Amino acid sequence: DGGITQSPKYLFRKEGQNVTLSCEQNLNHDAMYWYRQDPGQGLRLIYYSQIVNDFQKGDIAEGYSVSREKKESFPLTVTSAQKNPTAFYLCASSISGQSEQFFGPGTRLTVL
Amino acid sequence: AQKITQTQPGMFVQEKEAVTLDCTYDTSDQSYGLFWYKQPSSGEMIFLIYQGSYDEQNATEGRYSLNFQKARKSANLVISASQLGDSAMYFCAMSDQGAQKLVFGQGTRLTINP
Repeated sequence: DGGITQSPKYLFRKEGQNVTLSCEQNLNHDAMYWYRQDPGQGLRLIYYSQIVNDFQKGDIAEGYSVSREKKESFPLTVTSAQKNPTAFYLCASSISGQSEQFFGPGTRLTVL
Repeated sequence: AQKITQTQPGMFVQEKEAVTLDCTYDTSDQSYGLFWYKQPSSGEMIFLIYQGSYDEQNATEGRYSLNFQKARKSANLVISASQLGDSAMYFCAMSDQGAQKLVFGQGTRLTINP
């Protein structure tokens, strides 16, 4: 089955630690995205990548970093510089040039 | 900059009734796309329906239709014959001219009562 997987589903982190969220897709999509969702809010774009080895900042990139070494993978690192990292993180992908995005199941990050 | 506004934080509807979820947008682009996504309590985002800015006909997908009024910059979602399983958060979104990014509204929580 084609789709997007995110792991882990739940993640707990101590303050001051970096943590990496995984996102993998087997849809052969060129474009991938990371969004953050806070309780009762819409999604805000963190980073996106249209092709391998290239990515752009979204609206709230501060405190986050990404890499795109493979077409299938777009991991997100939440660094200690992110002031309020507790949130729900969603990864998405799309065919380049087409804007319909397909989403993974999400990772819920809690900072203790 | 693009902006999506959803003015209904919550809606309560009786099962089998039709429901309209409001969405207005703001953009200076001539070419753009409008989307509706459903988010159940489990968290995943489920694509429902798409309308292109040059599409003359309103989009329909099963029980979902998009009431697109370009001059008023509105893209309301209509769900016919609502079901208990329709209870969820609903998000309106739009893509930019390059179809690279989506901008989301704040969402509407829909509750279907039996």
